[in-house]
Amino acid sequence: DAGVTQTPRHEVAEKGQTIILKCEPVSGHNDLFWYRQTKIQGLELLSYFRSKSLMEDGGAFKDRFKAEMLNSSFSTLKIQPTEPKDSAVYLCASSFGGAQNTLYFGAGTRLSVL
Amino acid sequence: AQKVTQTQTSISVVEKTTVTMDCVYETRDSSYFLFWYKQTASGEIVFLIRQDSYKKENATVGHYSLNFQKPKSSIGLIITATQIEDSAVYFCAMRDSNNRIFFGDGTQLVVKP
Repeated sequence: DAGVTQTPRHEVAEKGQTIILKCEPVSGHNDLFWYRQTKIQGLELLSYFRSKSLMEDGGAFKDRFKAEMLNSSFSTLKIQPTEPKDSAVYLCASSFGGAQNTLYFGAGTRLSVL
Repeated sequence: AQKVTQTQTSISVVEKTTVTMDCVYETRDSSYFLFWYKQTASGEIVFLIRQDSYKKENATVGHYSLNFQKPKSSIGLIITATQIEDSAVYFCAMRDSNNRIFFGDGTQLVVKP
């Protein structure tokens, strides 16, 4: 079975650009999460979808970050406009619904904003 | 508020020994689930082991086991017979009744020959 697929693996952007990161969850999974990972802040939740509905939107990220789930097998994370402080690894994870279910993580997208 | 805390930033052990990584959590939920994940140097994050809050028995998978002390809100990860390839960052996580997930900051494990 295919795991969580994230594209691109690496992204370099100029300050002020708009970038879109993509995620395909494991087939059949109901829950989808976007995280940002940095060495200083660790794993920070950006968005949480359940059956395509946005359940949680990381408060600190609302102004320039927007995640969408157009269908059950595809999600995007848009950052507009990018800033150098957005440089990080962006991780997508999915799971079946239910708190007992583990998350499956994608390989991540490493974003560098110049 | 829900919270997960890993106080050990980094641990170094000699190969083939046993290591314990600490994790404490805060929750008001009566039912919740505790997870440990491993992040390798490549960045890949994989699930290792889970403990259900209503189960008294400590979970065990391969050379990973848990030390669940519910009264202390503690869920330690024990790795026996460590190997070089166990070197990684280990994250503790709690999933609550609303399916939200809370991660600790991680513990870096270095296994030396």
